[in-house]
Order: sequence, then structure tokens, then C-alpha cells
Amino acid sequence: AQKITQTQPGMFVQEKEAVTLDCTYDTSDQSYGLFWYKQPSSGEMIFLIYQGSYDEQNATEGRYSLNFQKARKSANLVISASQLGDSAMYFCAMREGQEGYALNFGKGTSLLVTP
Amino acid sequence: EAGVAQSPRYKIIEKRQSVAFWCNPISGHATLYWYQQILGQGPKLLIQFQNNGVVDDSQLPKDRFSAERLKGVDSTLKIQPAKLEDSAVYLCASLLAGEPYTQYFGPGTRLTVL
Repeated sequence: AQKITQTQPGMFVQEKEAVTLDCTYDTSDQSYGLFWYKQPSSGEMIFLIYQGSYDEQNATEGRYSLNFQKARKSANLVISASQLGDSAMYFCAMREGQEGYALNFGKGTSLLVTP
Repeated sequence: EAGVAQSPRYKIIEKRQSVAFWCNPISGHATLYWYQQILGQGPKLLIQFQNNGVVDDSQLPKDRFSAERLKGVDSTLKIQPAKLEDSAVYLCASLLAGEPYTQYFGPGTRLTVL
């Protein structure tokens, strides 16, 4: 069964607008971590933001925030004030358990920021 | 601080040939991962090392893929013989110990098998 679901294959947003990228997850673990990565056309996966399952506050990192709704098992990424350089693939990933367990990734969402 | 290094960046081979990829993790990162990313999909774990020991290789096609991390630092991933379906980006990542246990990725090696 798919552990991470990203239902939006592609999204468009105008420069300076905010955009939400959806992510739902499936786990029976109580302890887990949720990550968002950005992958530009160059191919490197760039870490953006992290949310732990026990964190009560939504994570924020600059223009990125994570809308964490534990009961709904969703971890949506919000990018505020979009920039042209935000155009890339975005992947949601989950680490079940603690420490160094491998990540399960979704299929990604392609974001295109237009002028 | 230097990031995760990978080489080569691109490789084109014919099916049934062999190929090897190299990864140098961030200094001090004990845990190293190799992921395979097929076009249009998210990365999928192939193998995970802790120092020079294998933690998880359950998804590694062992009939053709092998990996090693002899001195607990650099790692190599080998495919022999390659198949058309091995065309993918091979990503190496290393782990920063301590919460939130973030994995940092290298630039990847894009393999095309003809």
C-alpha cells in the first residue's frame, strides 16, 4: 500500500502568490517524521522542512510552512510569496519510527511558478 | 561544509554492460543510503549502511546489484549486468544523527541503459 500520497501531479501558481501542495500519509506507528524535499531540474533533493509526529506546532522555515493535521494524516506544504526559482518537483516523505530509518517518498508534485 | 558528492553525474551504457557509481557522504555522517529514482516517481531505497555494515538491503536486486562501504566512508554501487529498466537516477544520501534525523542528498547519477 502506498504510504505517501501526493494527488497533484502538477500545479501552477503566479509569482508572489501562495500555493499549497497536498500530502497524505499512512502509518500505524506513533512516532514518525514527515519531510518535504525540493528537486530542481538539476536533480539534487534539497531538504525544505520537517514535522515530527509529536510536534504540536506546525513547522515553519522561512517561506515554507507545513500544515500538519494528524487526525486526517495530512502534511501539506505551503509556500508563501512564490518565486520563479520555486519551480521544481516537490516530494513529501515519511520516516517511520525514529533515528535513521529510510524515507518513503510520494510520487511528487511539479510546481511551475509563472510571472 | 561540503555536501554529499557523487560521480559520475551521467552515464550511458548498453544493456548487459556493467557500471559503478561512487558516493562520498558528508563528513561524520555514519549512515548512508542509496536510492533509485525512476522517471516520474519518488526515490526508492536500495540499500542502507551504518558505518560499513548493511542495515537494510531488502529492496536491492541482489542478482545484479551490489554495494559496499568498506571503510565506513565512501560507498560504491555496482550494476552487473545492466537491464533497460535500470535506467534511473541513483541518489546517495547521508544522515545527520540527532533529531530530526534529516537525510542530505547528493546530486545523483543519471543512468541511461540502451
